[in-house]
Amino acid sequence: SQELEQSPQSLIVQEGKNLTINCTSSKTLYGLYWYKQKYGEGLIFLMMLQKGGEEKSHEKITAKLDEKKQQSSLHITASQPSHAGIYLCGADKGGSTLGRLYFGRGTQLTVWP
Amino acid sequence: GAGVSQSPRYKVAKRGQDVALRCDPISGHVSLFWYQQALGQGPEFLTYFQNEAQLDKSGLPSDRFFAERPEGSVSTLKIQRTQQEDSAVYLCASSLRQRNTEAFFGQGTRLTVV
Repeated sequence: SQELEQSPQSLIVQEGKNLTINCTSSKTLYGLYWYKQKYGEGLIFLMMLQKGGEEKSHEKITAKLDEKKQQSSLHITASQPSHAGIYLCGADKGGSTLGRLYFGRGTQLTVWP
Repeated sequence: GAGVSQSPRYKVAKRGQDVALRCDPISGHVSLFWYQQALGQGPEFLTYFQNEAQLDKSGLPSDRFFAERPEGSVSTLKIQRTQQEDSAVYLCASSLRQRNTEAFFGQGTRLTVV
């Protein structure tokens, strides 16, 4: 079963456009992780968010966690073909399952030149 | 090695066959996780080790699945009497500590049961 809801399921954008991917949980999270996956490969860590209202950026990718720690967004500015792949959010619920990640289904991003 | 290494990368098994999947975590990483990723889905948790201790195996789908990490380093996921529904990518991840740290994932082993 999927613990997190990701939207959209797929996204096709023209190179240079901005885009946003959302990740929503029904419960408050201990931590929220964003990963990128190329087909048939492992997951590449992008960012980890823990504090309500936290925002982190790396190159052209920005991730935010809302104050209630139930929703996160991943924003890509001026997208490039190298951004294409599957973006996965993973939630750490903390407590007895600390460290274990629950993943969304992923968002398939295609960037065409 | 520099990253998490998994072998084999691809495995085709006949239904009923036993398979063993290997994970070499990053040296010194305490925590090791196994996940199962079906086609078009996100990874789902199978089991967790802290050093050699298996602290959580609640995600293992049946008693045909068994994992071990006897010396707190290399881990093996074994699946007995494979079934078609076992076909998936099996991902291994390791992290330096349990909390507040990035988990590094291997490339995965794609298992196809025919």
